[in-house]
Amino acid sequence: DQQVKQNSPSLSVQEGRISILNCDYTNSMFDYFLWYKKYPAEGPTFLISISSIKDKNEDGRFTVFLNKSAKHLSLHIVPSQPGDSAVYFCGFRGGSNYKLTFGKGTLLTVNP
Amino acid sequence: DSGVTQTPKHLITATGQRVTLRCSPRSGDLSVYWYQQSLDQGLQFLIQYYNGEERAKGNILERFSAQQFPDLHSELNLSSLELGDSALYFCASSVEGANVLTFGAGSRLTVL
Repeated sequence: DQQVKQNSPSLSVQEGRISILNCDYTNSMFDYFLWYKKYPAEGPTFLISISSIKDKNEDGRFTVFLNKSAKHLSLHIVPSQPGDSAVYFCGFRGGSNYKLTFGKGTLLTVNP
Repeated sequence: DSGVTQTPKHLITATGQRVTLRCSPRSGDLSVYWYQQSLDQGLQFLIQYYNGEERAKGNILERFSAQQFPDLHSELNLSSLELGDSALYFCASSVEGANVLTFGAGSRLTVL
């Protein structure tokens, strides 16, 4: 049951450029959307989120975009920094409980 | 430190054995979630507890079981272990109704 697809296993960008990470979903019940970042040997940490009533949310260098009609979620990081190198997971919440459904993750490498 | 404590950090065992992973949630969080991260599989939801009661079940094998105790800590029991059970197991916690889960650093299980 592939409700969430994070199709790019890896992405490499130059420092200072934009990083764009993408997720697609199929479940129309999802109403809250999140991005988590994970460094090696650490647990995932919350990065930024957006509710289904909005289409954009910014927090510093990070912006999340939601296109509900296309069922598409993206994360933009501008400018990218080497410390942003990590695995990024998109997470989706919906239904009567509060569990999150995650994508498989994208390994972002920002090269100095 | 996220406030979610998981023990042990690393565990190596043999096929057919049984192990117990422990999680202490953040102070004040009543919900506990267990996730499994296998190679190329992303974060797979296993089970959720709220204040001692099972709230939601995901892709948890019958060989696996969990519980949440009155002091709110949770244990994930994995039995008849197979090579394919080797993975990172994450615990997360949240307050009731929260959209964001806080993850622990994980327990890395290696089955030889």
